[in-house]
Amino acid sequence: EPEVTQTPSHQVTQMGQEVILRCVPISNHLYFYWYRQILGQKVEFLVSFYNNEISEKSEIFDDQFSVERPDGSNFTLKIRSTKLEDSAMYFCASSGAPWRITSTDTQYFGPGTRLTVL
Amino acid sequence: AQTVTQSQPEMSVQEAETVTLSCTYDTSESDYYLFWYKQPPSRQMILVIRQEAYKQQNATENRFSVNFQKAAKSFSLKISDSQLGDAAMYFCAYRPETSGSRLTFGEGTQLTVNP
Repeated sequence: EPEVTQTPSHQVTQMGQEVILRCVPISNHLYFYWYRQILGQKVEFLVSFYNNEISEKSEIFDDQFSVERPDGSNFTLKIRSTKLEDSAMYFCASSGAPWRITSTDTQYFGPGTRLTVL
Repeated sequence: AQTVTQSQPEMSVQEAETVTLSCTYDTSESDYYLFWYKQPPSRQMILVIRQEAYKQQNATENRFSVNFQKAAKSFSLKISDSQLGDAAMYFCAYRPETSGSRLTFGEGTQLTVNP
């Protein structure tokens, strides 16, 4: 069964450093998302991406964040200058097969990248 | 703005018994989707079950079923014949009908299964 993959599984960085989190969505999916979950809290939406541009972003997704689909398979989240409060689990998800079936609208999540900012 | 509320931070159940997790939501939309995701200690988000709001029939997936009450904006998850592997954090989530829309999650319910 196709699945979303994410690398690395755990990233440790120093405050102020740039990090790039990588995701490979399910092949043929059209919509891509990033969510984050601070330890002990609920999952929060960051951004969605469709047709090579951001389709929606939350108030959390400020100028420090950017997303990119550099090729036909990868989807990345970049944090330019990390802060202590960026420490969280970051989930990538994808949805939307191009054919109209009931699973089209379900978002499938990757295993997450645990980001630790020191 | 849509909100999702899970009023039970923790629940416990005996193995082989049945447990129900509660979820309420608030929306002005008439068409939308509701989901239950499971998050085991590995923290991966695993889809358990989904419900389309336009469907009156409650969704079922093996031992998992929902009680969807659209007028009451209630969406509870029933786990029958609970197994030790069901122990996890369970999140209720809402998504508008439009493809590509964000998921809005509840706070989660930590389920413990006692042998």
